Amino acid sequence: GQNIDQPTEMTATEGAIVQINCTYQTSGFNGLFWYQQHAGEAPTFLSYNVLDGLEEKGRFSSFLSRSKGYSYLLLKELQMKDSASYLCAVRDQDDSWGKLQFGAGTQVVVTP
Amino acid sequence: DAMVIQNPRYQVTQFGKPVTLSCSQTLNHNVMYWYQQKSSQAPKLLFHYYDKDFNNEADTPDNFQSRRPNTSFCFLDIRSPGLGDAAMYLCATSRSRGLVGYTFGSGTRLTVV
Repeated sequence: GQNIDQPTEMTATEGAIVQINCTYQTSGFNGLFWYQQHAGEAPTFLSYNVLDGLEEKGRFSSFLSRSKGYSYLLLKELQMKDSASYLCAVRDQDDSWGKLQFGAGTQVVVTP
Repeated sequence: DAMVIQNPRYQVTQFGKPVTLSCSQTLNHNVMYWYQQKSSQAPKLLFHYYDKDFNNEADTPDNFQSRRPNTSFCFLDIRSPGLGDAAMYLCATSRSRGLVGYTFGSGTRLTVV
């Protein structure tokens, strides 16, 4: 099984930077995903890390350290539309189905 | 556009009255998943299919069943919904075992009255 922990809520100002941390404890590891979920909507894919290091995609970046069981999602130049829940999800190496285990999500509130 | 479609978007059912949620996909993905997500909680996996190979999670209640008659369609049946089954139900697909992430449908919000 997996334990996936992330903060419940974070607040930041429009134009600022916010870093959402995710720690995980697993028996195996085969990739970590970040999803964005607006209220009442389905999650949408943001990023995927399987090797250590930083993956950058526009205003969003994601970092992974497998030895520390740690990832973060960095949101730069925050916009009001970035107000959403951000879900960290881990795929267990031992799971041939590829199913993801999700954290409870971090609610990001962007204020003017 | 190719996508994952869930119907209906909102479903209200009576306590104890069977209800079926549907999911269809035009992506021709092998794997389909059903997740239950309650407010401010992590999505919880209920079932998944690789083609027609079915697997339910150990803690999925017997009240929940699933069918996948073909590649494109998957159904979630709740035989006797209780108040605790009110949630968002998410259908997701992926192309293969373990290589890529999911494409989610828009979800069905189930209310039990």
